[in-house]
Amino acid sequence: EIVLTQSPATLSLSPGERATLSCRASQSVGSFLAWYQQIPGQAPRLLIYDASNRATGVPARFSGSGSGTDFTLTISSLEPEDFAVYYCHQRSSWPQTFGQGTQVEVK
Amino acid sequence: EVQLVETGGGLIQPGGSLRLSCAASGFTVTSNYMSWVRQAPGKGLEWVSIIYSDGTTYYADSVKGRFTISRDNSKNTLYLQMNSLSAEDTALYYCARWLGISSTWFYDIWGQGTMVTVSS
Repeated sequence: EIVLTQSPATLSLSPGERATLSCRASQSVGSFLAWYQQIPGQAPRLLIYDASNRATGVPARFSGSGSGTDFTLTISSLEPEDFAVYYCHQRSSWPQTFGQGTQVEVK
Repeated sequence: EVQLVETGGGLIQPGGSLRLSCAASGFTVTSNYMSWVRQAPGKGLEWVSIIYSDGTTYYADSVKGRFTISRDNSKNTLYLQMNSLSAEDTALYYCARWLGISSTWFYDIWGQGTMVTVSS
C-alpha cells in the first residue's frame, strides 16, 4: 500500500498569504495524484487531478505540481473560503490511498 | 441535479450489521464506477470499496470479508452491507462517483455522508 504523508499537519496563515502544502508518497505514483478540499461539515471537493490539472470551476489561485513521490499544492493568495482541510489522493495502485490531511487555519 | 444521498447510518452494537444506501439522481449508478469512502471522527479519508460498471468489486483489506458493495438499477441506488462491525468501523461513510474521462480518474461527486457508530 502506498502511504501518502502530508506536511505540515497544520498551516496557520492570514488571508492574502500564500499557502504551500506538501504530499510525499512512499513510492512513485507518477502523476496520478489529486488534491481534495474539505470544509468542516461538508463532503470533499476535487481541486486538482493528475498532479497539476485544475478541476472545473476551481479558481486559478489553486495550483498543483510535482511527479513521482513529491507533490505540492499552492494557494497563491488565501481567500476566507480557503480555510479548510486538504487531502492528497493517489490512484496509481490499489488500494487507493489518501494522505492524513493538512489543515489550513486562520492565524 | 446530479447528487448522491446516503442513508442508513446509526448506532450499532459491536458484532452487528448495518446496510447503508446511497441514492443517486442525475446519472445512472450502474453505468458508473462507485465507491464508499469513510472518515473516522477527527481523522482522514479511507477508501473502503468500489464497484465497477461491469460489476467487479474491490475492498480495502480492513473490510474484506465483512463488507459487501452492491447496487440496484431499478432504484438507482448503491449499497454497502456491513457485517461483524467493530469500534474501528465507526466513521462517516461517503459514497462517491469515481469518474473516468480521457484516461484520467477522480471523485467528482460526493454525498453528504451517513454516520455509523459502533458502540455498546
